[in-house]
Amino acid sequence: DAGVTQSPTHLIKTRGQQVTLRCSPKSGHDTVSWYQQALGQGPQFIFQYYEEEERQRGNFPDRFSGHQFPNYSSELNVNALLLGDSALYLCASSPTGYGYTFGSGTRLTVV
Amino acid sequence: KNQVEQSPQSLIILEGKNCTLQCNYTVSPFSNLRWYKQDTGRGPVSLTIMTFSENTKSNGRYTATLDADTKQSSLHITSSQLSDSASYICVVSGAGSYQLTFGKGTKLSVIP
Repeated sequence: DAGVTQSPTHLIKTRGQQVTLRCSPKSGHDTVSWYQQALGQGPQFIFQYYEEEERQRGNFPDRFSGHQFPNYSSELNVNALLLGDSALYLCASSPTGYGYTFGSGTRLTVV
Repeated sequence: KNQVEQSPQSLIILEGKNCTLQCNYTVSPFSNLRWYKQDTGRGPVSLTIMTFSENTKSNGRYTATLDADTKQSSLHITSSQLSDSASYICVVSGAGSYQLTFGKGTKLSVIP
């Protein structure tokens, strides 16, 4: 049984560019959350998707947007990249209500 | 503001020894508290989950305790192994919120 799958694993982008990160949830999970983890810090909540809608959002600017597809997979889009967006981006999935499973993350470097 | 504070920031112990990591939180109303293990550059892996009514939970050599009155939790690791070297993160979920609040983690190094 595959867990949470994220792609790509590593990515290098130039300041000002746009990036799309992808997440496939664990089988049976319908909720996807995205987190940003800067080096040496705990993950920070970006948003959560359920039934293809953004259900809750953390304190991130509108440059961060997302999408959830009918098969529950999800994308995180970041526009106008800043150097400070360099981080490990984690996707977590859960069945409705309980127990989050995390993917291994996408390491984004903005130069 | 919901916060999770962990101590110590880092810890070095000899293989075979025990250690205890601490977590204090201000998340309210409280739903549940989780401990995760995170290897460098990898996603967190769940160790334990405790709700308000649970005050201890074990997973092999890992035992977590929760005092919901004082808003404190601890993670006790017994007979440490080299593979225990990782960051241990305390994560709190508030009632009525889908957001997890993470601590910054305790970086544990187990040396031979």
